[in-house]
Amino acid sequence: GAVVSQHPSRVICKSGTSVKIECRSLDFQATTMFWYRQFPKQSLMLMATSNEGSKATYEQGVEKDKFLINHASLTLSTLTVTSAHPEDSSFYICSAEDRDRGADTQYFGPGTRLTVL
Amino acid sequence: GENVEQHPSTLSVQEGDSAVIKCTYSDSASNYFPWYKQELGKGPQLIIDIRSNVGEKKDQRIAVTLNKTAKHFSLHITETQPEDSAVYFCAASGNQFYFGTGTSLTVIP
Repeated sequence: GAVVSQHPSRVICKSGTSVKIECRSLDFQATTMFWYRQFPKQSLMLMATSNEGSKATYEQGVEKDKFLINHASLTLSTLTVTSAHPEDSSFYICSAEDRDRGADTQYFGPGTRLTVL
Repeated sequence: GENVEQHPSTLSVQEGDSAVIKCTYSDSASNYFPWYKQELGKGPQLIIDIRSNVGEKKDQRIAVTLNKTAKHFSLHITETQPEDSAVYFCAASGNQFYFGTGTSLTVIP
């Protein structure tokens, strides 16, 4: 299957700092990427849809000024958690849509574990 | 909006037995139904998917069936192995992508 990478895999930061998470599609181009958040033992919660060259679409209740998304190329989307607080600690997962394999086909990255102290 | 229900939430089977996980959806516009396997601390991995123009799809020990009339689809794993132990998520996609609540599968050696 298609490969999606995420970096970093784990990050620990102090409260008030910003953290950037990268999501890359390694062997395909992705005009659309998605950012999810997952709490322990729960399903994935879609945060935003990232479209290359345009502004991200945020789900209801997700603060766009806090979770900045940039999709500058067909293989890279970034999520920046600004002024992070302990309640932002979570598992963040990105996915990329590989339309060559069919509409809506999403491949997920390995996730990033964010811990805010 | 779409509502995807997944059952059971936990499932334990003996190694070699079959495991079945079922999902129902509500939006008749949904036309793509993937299944993901998520191991602890990792991202979901697409294991099989089916589109609405197909009723069944099989890939080695894994099969998915779709009943569009009843709006339900199922994942079947045969000859289960301990490495099949993980959380499995179904999803339905039409206008949007919706995940089920997950099934924690444990295969007992």
